[in-house]
Amino acid sequence: NAGVMQNPRHLVRRRGQEARLRCSPMKGHSHVYWYRQLPEEGLKFMVYLQKENIIDESGMPKERFSAEFPKEGPSILRIQQVVRGDSAAYFCASSPRTSGGYEQYFGPGTRLTVT
Amino acid sequence: AQTVTQSQPEMSVQEAETVTLSCTYDTSENNYYLFWYKQPPSRQMILVIRQEAYKQQNATENRFSVNFQKAAKSFSLKISDSQLGDAAMYFCAYRSAVLQGGSEKLVFGKGTKLTVNP
Repeated sequence: NAGVMQNPRHLVRRRGQEARLRCSPMKGHSHVYWYRQLPEEGLKFMVYLQKENIIDESGMPKERFSAEFPKEGPSILRIQQVVRGDSAAYFCASSPRTSGGYEQYFGPGTRLTVT
Repeated sequence: AQTVTQSQPEMSVQEAETVTLSCTYDTSENNYYLFWYKQPPSRQMILVIRQEAYKQQNATENRFSVNFQKAAKSFSLKISDSQLGDAAMYFCAYRSAVLQGGSEKLVFGKGTKLTVNP
């Protein structure tokens, strides 16, 4: 059973460009979470999605950031008009369900560098 | 809102010795889960151990064990017989067990960097 897949692993964008980060959850997992890790910091929650639904986006910046988890295909975190402050590691995690305290399994992360 | 505090930015231990990493948290909830994650230089987040708040017994996983003090809101991680491969960032995390509007997020501390000296 393959783990959580994220691609690309490294992404370089110039200021003003768009960044698209992809996350394929583990097989059988229908819950996806995105976290951001700034240098020397812990992970900060951004958004929680189920298939075709955004459940909790309380950690998402109000502008330029969006996320989706379509019926088919990976979850996408999209950052429009990137700025230097967006440079960070973005982690995706998945879980099979919410009840019972199921662990969130993390992908390897995407390191975004904005030049 | 819940918060997690790790007061030790860095710790070091001699190989084969024991080290304890501290974590405190703040919550008004009675039911929740606590986790320790390890992040080696590869940056992959690896679950080390988890604890259900309703369980009084401290969780153990091989050389890793926790000291869970619910009243004190403390959740420390003890690593016994430390190995070079244990060197990593360690993050303490909290997750509510109460489903309120779908709040399933993990709340992380800032981490403790553990160095293991040969």
